[in-house]
Amino acid sequence: DSGVTQTPKHLITATGQRVTLRCSPRSGDLSVYWYQQSLDQGLQFLIQYYNGEERAKGNILERFSAQQFPDLHSELNLSSLELGDSALYFCASSPLAGGHTNTGELFFGEGSRLTVL
Amino acid sequence: AQKVTQAQTEISVVEKEDVTLDCVYETRDTTYYLFWYKQPPSGELVFLIRRNSFDEQNEISGRYSWNFQKSTSSFNFTITASQVVDSAVYFCALSGLLGSNKLTFGTGTQLKVEL
Repeated sequence: DSGVTQTPKHLITATGQRVTLRCSPRSGDLSVYWYQQSLDQGLQFLIQYYNGEERAKGNILERFSAQQFPDLHSELNLSSLELGDSALYFCASSPLAGGHTNTGELFFGEGSRLTVL
Repeated sequence: AQKVTQAQTEISVVEKEDVTLDCVYETRDTTYYLFWYKQPPSGELVFLIRRNSFDEQNEISGRYSWNFQKSTSSFNFTITASQVVDSAVYFCALSGLLGSNKLTFGTGTQLKVEL
């Protein structure tokens, strides 16, 4: 158990809809990362937040947005969903802005599997 | 741009065989970090190891060992005496300077260990 909690674990929705994925980082971790894992694109970095502020952006679509709240949990909002958005969405956390603990580990949650029909 | 290549899409071995998973990387950074993660069928990503670009010593942890060769930009992972529980997808990943906040992952190698 990494200590990172993601909800929901599974989500099925229709094209055009909007969903919100939630992530609670490990206790004390200030950085939250979102990754998308799909068959087409593999594991791709989407976005990072550190202590409430956006820290870095990757291949995140304009239809997607994220935020980190004062209690450090994060939400990833996916809107106008398309079939191609079906994927496993991972959240990871670490204590540092740079993204690496002393051991270099990002702690990953178990992922939220999104299916768009 | 950074890139990680795992040319082996799938490997099947019989239990107790040794198996090596290949990883080749590209980066312009002079300081960088390499990682291996394991994704078992349950889906979570489990950290296995990090190496920095200054440390080319090979590392052994139980049945796992890693061979980092800067000259060939490779960071290969060997499992000795494989077990069925080793069946998983293994990802090699790369990040830039400490303080960089993005892992670039390879496409993963599916390892199947059969009895």
